[in-house]
Amino acid sequence: EPEVTQTPSHQVTQMGQEVILRCVPISNHLYFYWYRQILGQKVEFLVSFYNNEISEKSEIFDDQFSVERPDGSNFTLKIRSTKLEDSAMYFCASMREGGARTDTQYFGPGTRLTVL
Amino acid sequence: QQPVQSPQAVILREGEDAVINCSSSKALYSVHWYRQKHGEAPVFLMILLKGGEQKGHEKISASFNEKKQQSSLYLTASQLSYSGTYFCGTERWAGNNRKLIWGLGTSLAVNP
Repeated sequence: EPEVTQTPSHQVTQMGQEVILRCVPISNHLYFYWYRQILGQKVEFLVSFYNNEISEKSEIFDDQFSVERPDGSNFTLKIRSTKLEDSAMYFCASMREGGARTDTQYFGPGTRLTVL
Repeated sequence: QQPVQSPQAVILREGEDAVINCSSSKALYSVHWYRQKHGEAPVFLMILLKGGEQKGHEKISASFNEKKQQSSLYLTASQLSYSGTYFCGTERWAGNNRKLIWGLGTSLAVNP
């Protein structure tokens, strides 16, 4: 069964460094999402992406964040200058299409980002 | 706008039943239920569409009451594997953008 994959599973970085989190959505999916979850807290929406552009972004998704679909398969989240409070689990999700009511989002396994 | 889940936490003994509610102040068109185990990604359980239908997944079923703007998740004869945090998500459409608005989750612990 197709699944969303994410790499790396765990990333440790120094404060101020740039990180790129990678996701490979399910191949025929058209909608892509990034979420983050700080330990012990709820899943928070960061950004949605459709047709090669951002559809919506949350207040969390400030100028330090960017997303890209550099080729037909990868979907990346870049954090330009990481802060301690960026430490969290980052989940990528994809959805086949927005038209069918029965479509839902499928999540990748997540990347745990630790900022020191 | 965020759906409200209740209760916040449930502790069960194996074999007991539980109900988790998800309600919204806005009209609901669909409710998505997910379960997340500690340290893992949320896993999709089922979608409930407006119309009051009921769905099932293993011994987990759910209903959707359009009038009450509420969905309920029923866990019967709970198993240890049911432990985790259950999230409901309600849909919001804006142009081409379809987004799930998540509840805060209900933590379920099933003990032997």
